[in-house]
Amino acid sequence: DAKTTQPTSMDCAEGRAANLPCNHSTISGNEYVYWYRQIHSQGPQYIIHGLKNNETNEMASLIITEDRKSSTLILPHATLRDTAVYYCIVSLYGGATNKLIFGTGTLLAVQP
Amino acid sequence: DVKVTQSSRYLVKRTGEKVFLECVQDMDHENMFWYRQDPGLGLRLIYFSYDVKMKEKGDIPEGYSVSREKKERFSLILESASTNQTSMYLCASSSSIHRLAGEQYFGPGTRLTVT
Repeated sequence: DAKTTQPTSMDCAEGRAANLPCNHSTISGNEYVYWYRQIHSQGPQYIIHGLKNNETNEMASLIITEDRKSSTLILPHATLRDTAVYYCIVSLYGGATNKLIFGTGTLLAVQP
Repeated sequence: DVKVTQSSRYLVKRTGEKVFLECVQDMDHENMFWYRQDPGLGLRLIYFSYDVKMKEKGDIPEGYSVSREKKERFSLILESASTNQTSMYLCASSSSIHRLAGEQYFGPGTRLTVT
């Protein structure tokens, strides 16, 4: 599985968009980009995933560059409850393993 | 609503004790996982199972075993607990349907302390 690089921490003002970057320059053609987050004292929560195209759901948008070497998770209107560690993961899916390798992520602090 | 439950939020055990951590999911998922999470190390996969009675070693299986007798239940067993197994243990499940397989649903975690 390809390795990802994320900033250790970021701040965002409440109500503003939070843009969380992730580099995955060694991604292979059949690997997906997943985003999870972990709020303090809780288990991780799935947010979104994508392969090539940009994706949007009720939680966030995922923008993947054309060369697929980086991506950005966008929380359009951050709230205090979005304060969490955000993990960017690159992985194959399907097959027998479905393994996800979590790194240390980005601590997003939403400020009032 | 999707739900993964773990038997305890906090557990304190003595060195050498046999410890059982239970995980139950109600989503009829084929895949189940056990991770441990330690400060600075992120989540590390201990074992996973993609079917009843099937199990596969993850990245750090030493000192652990698992049991999956029913589809909804996946147990993690510490045969003889040691202090270096003090950690947060997280269970997760996912569907085996291709497009959903990377969406893992996590339980709240069990914080195990071995003294």
